[in-house]
This record gives sequence, structure tokens and C-alpha cells, in this order.
Amino acid sequence: DVKVTQSSRYLVKRTGEKVFLECVQDMDHENMFWYRQDPGLGLRLIYFSYDVKMKEKGDIPEGYSVSREKKERFSLILESASTNQTSMYLCASSSSGPKLGGGYTFGSGTRLTVV
Amino acid sequence: QQQVKQSPQSLIVQKGGISIINCAYENTAFDYFPWYQQFPGKGPALLIAIRPDVSEKKEGRFTISFNKSAKQFSLHIMDSQPGDSATYFCAANSGNQFYFGTGTSLTVIP
Repeated sequence: DVKVTQSSRYLVKRTGEKVFLECVQDMDHENMFWYRQDPGLGLRLIYFSYDVKMKEKGDIPEGYSVSREKKERFSLILESASTNQTSMYLCASSSSGPKLGGGYTFGSGTRLTVV
Repeated sequence: QQQVKQSPQSLIVQKGGISIINCAYENTAFDYFPWYQQFPGKGPALLIAIRPDVSEKKEGRFTISFNKSAKQFSLHIMDSQPGDSATYFCAANSGNQFYFGTGTSLTVIP
């Protein structure tokens, strides 16, 4: 079974803190994605990466950055956490190149609360 | 702008009934349409998917109906069960990205 593992299920951080969300996949997938999930807004893409050291902005990159130093690991960084970043964060991975032949595999999510 | 529009936002169905969730899109470059099922506390999981060259795909109690000319697709859950209670997301793929609907919370009443 493909596994996408997110390091924390629940996190509580203070406003202004730097926050790291880690995601690791074990299927040698090229593509990795970070989404946030909010009620009524669905899944919104923050950043994605198609290769090591490569990153692309998604729809809502403001206030976030990412790092992909190894193929299996994709980190989401909140440079200075704010209360409006309280959300469920989902990491996903997929195989193949420019044409996606299959779906994503998602992690279980990290519920982040910024106080 | 929402690339994929999903309705309804929530749905309550009696056990044994048919659940229907609808999605619509505008971008004709979309060429792969998956549905994801998400249980509380879990990430979404791929449920069933269709390509635009077919009008219907069935897997067990789950069927996708696809209308290319109308740019609409829908998920039908036959003989709905309480264990189907979850949030369902439709999605569409173009290039390297998926675009998701806003989700439908399905509750199946015993």
C-alpha cells in the first residue's frame, strides 16, 4: 500500500511562530502537493512539486513556503503563523510526469490551530 | 474562481436509497475526473474515476455518469449504507494538477 505520512495529526502553535509540517511518501512518487481544507471551501492547493528541489505555487501560497530536499519528503513551512492559517493541512503524492494517469494518495492530515 | 462546482453541499439519504452528487466544470482541457471519499479524521481516498471518452463507469454500488457536452459528471451511490456516510469530493485533472469541488457531506440514516 502506498503510504503518505504526515508527521503530526494535531498541532497547536502561537501566532508568529514558524511552523513546519512534514510529509513523507514511500512509493517513489515524483509529484507531491500541499492542500488546506476548510469547511465550504473544499481543498485548496498551496504548493506542489514535481521533482527534488523544484516547487511551484498553487492557488493560495501567501504566507507559506515549501522545501523538497529529498524525493520522498515535502515540507510545508508557515513562516509566521497567523490565526487565519488555522486549518486542516493535507499532503498528497502521485506518480507519473506531466500527464497524471491516476489519482492522488493523501496523508491523514494535520489539524493546525494557531492561537 | 472555482474550476469545479459541486452540489449539494450536504445530503441526507435513507439506508437503501440512492445518493446523487453532481459536479460541473468549464475547462474542456480536463481529461480525468476522479471522486474521493473522506471519512472523519482521514485524508481523502480515491473512490472511482472516469475519462471523458466514456459516459459511465460502475464499480460495485458506485457509478460515475459523465456528460461531456454538458460538462457535467455525477456520482451515484446505489443501495446507500450508513458506512457510506462521508464527505465526497469530485475533481478534474488538467496537466499536473487536480481541481477539487467543495465537497458533499453525505449522511445515510439507518
